[in-house]
Amino acid sequence: EAGVAQSPRYKIIEKRQSVAFWCNPISGHATLYWYQQILGQGPKLLIQFQNNGVVDDSQLPKDRFSAERLKGVDSTLKIQPAKLEDSAVYLCASSGQGASSNQPQHFGDGTRLSIL
Amino acid sequence: GESVGLHLPTLSVQEGDNSIINCAYSNSASDYFIWYKQESGKGPQFIIDIRSNMDKRQGQRVTVLLNKTVKHLSLQIAATQPGDSAVYFCAESTNAGKSTFGDGTTLTVKP
Repeated sequence: EAGVAQSPRYKIIEKRQSVAFWCNPISGHATLYWYQQILGQGPKLLIQFQNNGVVDDSQLPKDRFSAERLKGVDSTLKIQPAKLEDSAVYLCASSGQGASSNQPQHFGDGTRLSIL
Repeated sequence: GESVGLHLPTLSVQEGDNSIINCAYSNSASDYFIWYKQESGKGPQFIIDIRSNMDKRQGQRVTVLLNKTVKHLSLQIAATQPGDSAVYFCAESTNAGKSTFGDGTTLTVKP
């Protein structure tokens, strides 16, 4: 099966600019996650979708970050405006079961964001 | 707050030796635990998981042990190979499906 696809792989922007990341999960996976991974740390959950609904966005900085999954398949994560501390790898993951049924997550290779 | 911690940030072993990577978790409501392997420039890759109704689970060359009394999780890799060099993360998950990751252990395998 095809894995989780993310684009772009790399992005360099200046602070205060905006940026968007795209994720296409594994076909049929209902749950989609966006994580932020700062260098040397584990992934931190930003937002979790079940189909096109938000399950958990408690750690999403909503003043600058937004995410959508309008048709319940692919998803975009946006940062506007970007700050220096947003420099990180943004990982997308998907899993096959519902939000209340634990299954391992399948990760894409992420987008590495550098803020100048 | 809820967190998953790893006992050692780095571990260096000789090729062919067994590796043991430890993890402590703090949320007693967690009922599902996963080990991931992350290579440089890649996303985390699932290795093995265990549910809270089990103490031990074995895979190919890997074993996960769960001690709920002390909230401790370990990953054992038998006959460690150079290809096992990576960062290993444990993650805990509640029945709501939310996973919390620790900060990882970097495993280096010396030839």
